[in-house]
Amino acid sequence: AAGVIQSPRHLIKEKRETATLKCYPIPRHDTVYWYQQGPGQDPQFLISFYEKMQSDKGSIPDRFSAQQFSDYHSELNMSSLELGDSALYFCASSARGLAGGGDEQYFGPGTRLTVT
Amino acid sequence: QQQVKQSPQSLIVQKGGISIINCAYENTAFDYFPWYQQFPGKGPALLIAIRPDVSEKKEGRFTISFNKSAKQFSLHIMDSQPGDSATYFCAARYYGGATNKLIFGTGTLLAVQP
Repeated sequence: AAGVIQSPRHLIKEKRETATLKCYPIPRHDTVYWYQQGPGQDPQFLISFYEKMQSDKGSIPDRFSAQQFSDYHSELNMSSLELGDSALYFCASSARGLAGGGDEQYFGPGTRLTVT
Repeated sequence: QQQVKQSPQSLIVQKGGISIINCAYENTAFDYFPWYQQFPGKGPALLIAIRPDVSEKKEGRFTISFNKSAKQFSLHIMDSQPGDSATYFCAARYYGGATNKLIFGTGTLLAVQP
């Protein structure tokens, strides 16, 4: 079965640079979530989109922005990167609005961002 | 403040034994409770989930027990295998308007010894 696709899988950036992370949800899923996981930490919710509209916002820095496009893929844009932004970034998707759609959120493999 | 409290932090079980991980929550707005399994460097994989109107759910070797009045739920892994060695996260979904975000517990590192 198709899964959530994230790219790139690894990214190395220097402080103050920008980064763009991409997420392609499972086909027919209409909701995308972004989570950040620091080393040895649990995933922390950043932001979510339902039908291309922002549906919720968590502990996402103002330096970060995201959007969901007409094909439902999403991009997380990160500017003025700081050393503390080094983490695993996960995208998850769900079929929230579809008839018979479940509560389940399926996670992608993640993007490991290293800021030097 | 951790909204979902998970214990133990780490667990060592012998092959064939039962692994038990516990979680507790306070917010009654939580309406869906999944468990995820995560291997190092990989994304969390959904294992099993339960809603508060059910007290127990079993899928293969994995069982969730849910106590709504105590606001506690637990994961039982029967016949634990070395391949089950991973970090396990409980989570709770906050249901309120447009949000479906998951709040995670702090994780349990499970090691199953052969």
